[in-house]
Formats: sequence, structure tokens, C-alpha cells
Amino acid sequence: AQSVTQLDSHVSVSEGTPVLLRCNYSSSYSPSLFWYVQHPNKGLQLLLKYTSAATLVKGINGFEAEFKKSETSFHLTKPSAHMSDAAEYFCVVSELNDMRFGAGTRLTVKP
Amino acid sequence: DTGVSQNPRHKITKRGQNVTFRCDPISEHNRLYWYRQTLGQGPEFLTYFQNEAQLEKSRLLSDRFSAERPKGSFSTLEIQRTEQGDSAMYLCASSLSMGEGTEAFFGQGTRLTVV
Repeated sequence: AQSVTQLDSHVSVSEGTPVLLRCNYSSSYSPSLFWYVQHPNKGLQLLLKYTSAATLVKGINGFEAEFKKSETSFHLTKPSAHMSDAAEYFCVVSELNDMRFGAGTRLTVKP
Repeated sequence: DTGVSQNPRHKITKRGQNVTFRCDPISEHNRLYWYRQTLGQGPEFLTYFQNEAQLEKSRLLSDRFSAERPKGSFSTLEIQRTEQGDSAMYLCASSLSMGEGTEAFFGQGTRLTVV
């Protein structure tokens, strides 16, 4: 069965500095991979997704992620953090109609 | 608003009582999912429907839990004889299909507190 490990439970950055949220996955098939964001009192929102096309995926709000099969990783990055990026981020692996979430990474952005 | 709608948003109940939550998916979506999220954890899969058929249930879904999706439209999740360990956020999601790369759209959830 597929699984996801988010390597950091909490990441803190200063506004304007780069963001890196790490995700490793395990899958028996060629999975689809997603990043979702959850703001307080809001529903989960899709940031970006990887299927089997380009390995570098661009999402909303300046986020992007790179699929690296050899490293089984799908890290999320953003060149410059904004205060509004503070939220919980979930990496998700999907295979055969089954979406599995990581435990989440809480991103804090300091002024 | 044409997003996924969940009601109620919050529910406080006494231990041992039954509760029922409702999810209205995006109208053209044929798949509907239920997840449970506890504090500090990612959502855990509970069950999913393809139209009105319940195709998969997690082992997390004890016999006190039951879900229905009559006519393939809205869905209900019922918890009987609630326990304090049932306290969590219950999330509903819908999608058109789960082919490669099809994302699910999530509702805002129902927060259950069992006292």
C-alpha cells in the first residue's frame, strides 16, 4: 500500500525567504501526487498535482514541486514566502482510487 | 456556491448518543469520500462511494459507523453510541473520477466533540 512521510512537522521561515516542505512517498504503482493546503477554519485546497507528465509542477500562489522518482520525493517549494502562506500543508499520494495523506507540515511565516 | 457543503459545521454530543452528518458534493461529481482528521494528523480515509455504491471501507470504520449515499447525490455519515475517541473533524470530498491525477474537492468539515 502507498504511504507518505512528511519529514518536518513544523517549518518556520521569515517573510521573503524561500520555503521548502519535504515529502517522501512509497508506492507500488506509478502514483499521482498532490499538495493540499489547509488554512484555519477553511477546507483543504489543492495547491498542485503530479500525474505522469512534467516532473516539475507549478501550482497556485507561486508554489511548485518536483517529482524525483529515484529519491521517491515530491518536495514543495516557493522562492519567497508571504505572510498569507502560513497554514498546514499536506502531501498526498494516490493510487487505485485511494488517497493517503501525510501527517502535515505547519508553516509559520515570521514578519 | 457550487463547492462541497457539509452540515452541521460543529456538533457537540454526549457520549452514547447517535449523530448524523450530511455532505452535499459538487453536483456532477460521481465519487464521494469521507475522511476523519484528528488534531495534528492528516486526514484518514474512512470510505468512498461511486454513485450510490459504497465501494470501499477502511478498517477505521467500526460497526458503529455507517454511511449512505442514496440516489448517488448527497451522503450521510452516522455514528451510533458515540465515544470520546470519535471526537474529530469529519471531512467529505468529491471528485469526477479517480483516474490518474484527478483531484478531490473538500468541504470545510464537521467538527464533532463528544463530551
